[in-house]
Amino acid sequence: AQSVSQHNHHVILSEAASLELGCNYSYGGTVNLFWYVQYPGQHLQLLLKYFSGDPLVKGIKGFEAEFIKSKFSFNLRKPSVQWSDTAEYFCAVNDGNNRLAFGKGNQVVVIP
Amino acid sequence: ETGVTQTPRHLVMGMTNKKSLKCEQHLGHNAMYWYKQSAKKPLELMFVYNFKEQTENNSVPSRFSPECPNSSHLFLHLHTLQPEDSALYLCASSQGGQGGHEQYFGPGTRLTVT
Repeated sequence: AQSVSQHNHHVILSEAASLELGCNYSYGGTVNLFWYVQYPGQHLQLLLKYFSGDPLVKGIKGFEAEFIKSKFSFNLRKPSVQWSDTAEYFCAVNDGNNRLAFGKGNQVVVIP
Repeated sequence: ETGVTQTPRHLVMGMTNKKSLKCEQHLGHNAMYWYKQSAKKPLELMFVYNFKEQTENNSVPSRFSPECPNSSHLFLHLHTLQPEDSALYLCASSQGGQGGHEQYFGPGTRLTVT
């Protein structure tokens, strides 16, 4: 079964700081990769996804993620965060079927 | 709004009660899912339905019983739950079939078992 690791469960940073959240997965074959975000009191929503092609993926709200196959990683980045980026961020992976494996999430708090 | 609705949003039930959670998707998808979200744990996949057929039961106790009457509706019937079953239950849908399509989530039902 897939396993997904997210480190630094709690992240606190100031506005305009850069954010990077790590995601590592275990499956060695072809994967589809996702980052989901859950704003306070809201539902999980897709931030960005990688299926194939350019390993640097642009998502909504200025987020991007880079797929590095050799490192089994799909790290999320944003150069300059805003207070509205306070949320929980989940990395998810599937191997081409309907089963998504999620990481434990990163709780990000941006201080104005 | 993601096109996936869940009712009720909050539910408090005793261990001897029977209740049902409802999920409806308006996206024309063919696959639907139940997840359990507990504090400090990854989202746990519970059940998968693909074209109304259950394709995954992730070792879920029998006190949780899913039902998928059609591709747009999914239920989770609950009976004789335990306090450790208190969690946020999320429904999701996707295009279904093979290919690893992205999933769209509902707002969840916050369940408290007393």
